[in-house]
Order: sequence, then C-alpha cells, then structure tokens
Amino acid sequence: GNSVTQMEGPVTLSEEAFLTINCTYTATGYPSLFWYVQYPGEGLQLLLKATKADDKGSNKGFEATYRKETTSFHLEKGSVQVSDSAVYFCALRVGGNEKLTFGTGTRLTIIP
Amino acid sequence: EAGVVQSPRYKIIEKKQPVAFWCNPISGHNTLYWYLQNLGQGPELLIRYENEEAVDDSQLPKDRFSAERLKGVDSTLKIQPAELGDSAVYLCASSFTGMADTQYFGPGTRLTVL
Repeated sequence: GNSVTQMEGPVTLSEEAFLTINCTYTATGYPSLFWYVQYPGEGLQLLLKATKADDKGSNKGFEATYRKETTSFHLEKGSVQVSDSAVYFCALRVGGNEKLTFGTGTRLTIIP
Repeated sequence: EAGVVQSPRYKIIEKKQPVAFWCNPISGHNTLYWYLQNLGQGPELLIRYENEEAVDDSQLPKDRFSAERLKGVDSTLKIQPAELGDSAVYLCASSFTGMADTQYFGPGTRLTVL
C-alpha cells in the first residue's frame, strides 16, 4: 500500500535557523508528492508539490526535491521565521487515485 | 473568493448521541472530500464525491457514519450514534474535477464525545 513516514516532532528552532523536516514514502505507483501546512486555527494549505523525479517544489522560501532513488521529499528552509510556526504534513497521491495519503505531521515552533 | 466553509467549528456531545457536520465547498468545485484527523495523526479520507455521487466511500464506517451531497454542492456528514473513539477533527476539502493535486481544506470541525 501507500504510506508516508515523517520526522517526528515537535521541532523547536531559533529564528533564522536552517530547517529540515524529513519525509520518506512508499507507493505502489508513481506518486505526486506534497507538503501541506496547518497554521494555528486554520485549515490545511498546500505549501508546495512535485510531480516527477528530480522536480523541486518551492514556495515562501521552502523547498523540497523529489528523490526517487531514496523515496524522499525532505522539506527545507534556509532561515526560518516565527511566522513559520505550524504543523507540516507530507503527503502523496498516486496517479489515477484522487486520494491523498498523509504523514502524521511535524509540529514546528520557532522562537525569537 | 471564499474558502471551504465548515460548521460547527466545535461540537461536544455525549456518547450515543447523533451529530452532523456541514460543509460548503468552493464555488465551482465539483469534487468534495471528507477527511478524519485523529489527534497527532494526518488526515485520512472518509469519502469523496464527484458532484452528488459518492465515488469512493471505502473508508467510511457505514454502520454509524453517513454522508450526503444533495444537489452536488453542500455536504453533510453524520454520525449516529457517536462513540468515544469518534473524537477527532473532521475536515472537508474540495477541488475541481480531475485536479486532486490542488485540494482546498476547510478549518475543520473538532468533535469531542464525552
């Protein structure tokens, strides 16, 4: 079956630190990969996505590269801000299936 | 443009009581999803609608859960009777048909069953 394994949290960093949140996946087909973010009190929002191997998704200073050889899609940001504090979810969708499969989420807290 | 609207945002009920959640998707989005998010977990799909048709309800516990999407717009998810283990956040999402890569999520309804 399909599954997503995420780095467990919570993660606490100081402002301007470098961020990496690990995500690996198992899929029966050739998936599209996503990072969603959930800010306090808000719904899930798509942060970035990549649909084929070696693609890099990017948004708001965040980046993730689709690595087929390691089945990974790690989220990175060079300098985090307090406003990045949220829960981050890695997810996949296998072609032909409209269903998203999510990881368990990683809570990120940035302290000034 | 308004996002996905859900109500209520919070609901507290006693076990064995019925409960219903309502979702209004983004205008023009024919595909509607209901997800269940347990504490500390990622969302899991319960049911997906294409217009008024439930095209994937394989994960919906049909003994106590039901859903409808009359007229292919708003949707209601019902639990009857609720159990303690149903305490969770119920998320609604919508997308254009065939664009599941871009799902828009509502804020969710947090259900507490006492």
